[in-house]
Amino acid sequence: AQSVTQLDSHVSVSEGTPVLLRCNYSSSYSPSLFWYVQHPNKGLQLLLKYTSAATLVKGINGFEAEFKKSETSFHLTKPSAHMSDAAEYFCVVSEGSNSGYSTLTFGKGTMLLVSP
Amino acid sequence: DAGVTQSPTHLIKTRGQQVTLRCSPISGHKSVSWYQQVLGQGPQFIFQYYEKEERGRGNFPDRFSARQFPNYSSELNVNALLLGDSALYLCASSLFGQSVNYGYTFGSGTRLTVV
Repeated sequence: AQSVTQLDSHVSVSEGTPVLLRCNYSSSYSPSLFWYVQHPNKGLQLLLKYTSAATLVKGINGFEAEFKKSETSFHLTKPSAHMSDAAEYFCVVSEGSNSGYSTLTFGKGTMLLVSP
Repeated sequence: DAGVTQSPTHLIKTRGQQVTLRCSPISGHKSVSWYQQVLGQGPQFIFQYYEKEERGRGNFPDRFSARQFPNYSSELNVNALLLGDSALYLCASSLFGQSVNYGYTFGSGTRLTVV
């Protein structure tokens, strides 16, 4: 069974400072991992995905994440926060099922607060 | 191109009633999945449909059902509504049933409030 733990429910940063959102996963097989962002009253937008290629994954809006198998982690980082980054971020794991079709398992989310 | 379209955007129902939520996937996408997001939680998987057949089901009671039509649009039905069914219901479309390579695109969701 797959699961995701987001280690912080809230992270507060100042504009222009680095962002680190932490995620640990558990998976029976080689997982695919994603980060999604959700702005208030909006749907989910894919930031980036890891699918067993390069372990350092670059996404949209300057975000990147590093897959570390030995630590079962997939932390999301950004060098410099912008006010528009304030949103909820979800770490997601996906693996195949017996039916051959995959489903997504979401973490509980990390709310990123950015102050001027 | 239109993205994933969900209707209605907001809905208020009374306990015990039935509700139908609708989803139109991205043109050309053949797989639709449904997720429930309760306030303060991450989305939870309800159903996945591919080529009009159910391919996966999450841990939800039989009050929840869904179907996919020949044009790949989908409906999610919930019977005998409970207060705990209040949530944002998200639809996600994918080209095929495997998300790992093709990814999911989510709609903006339907906010269901049960009173």
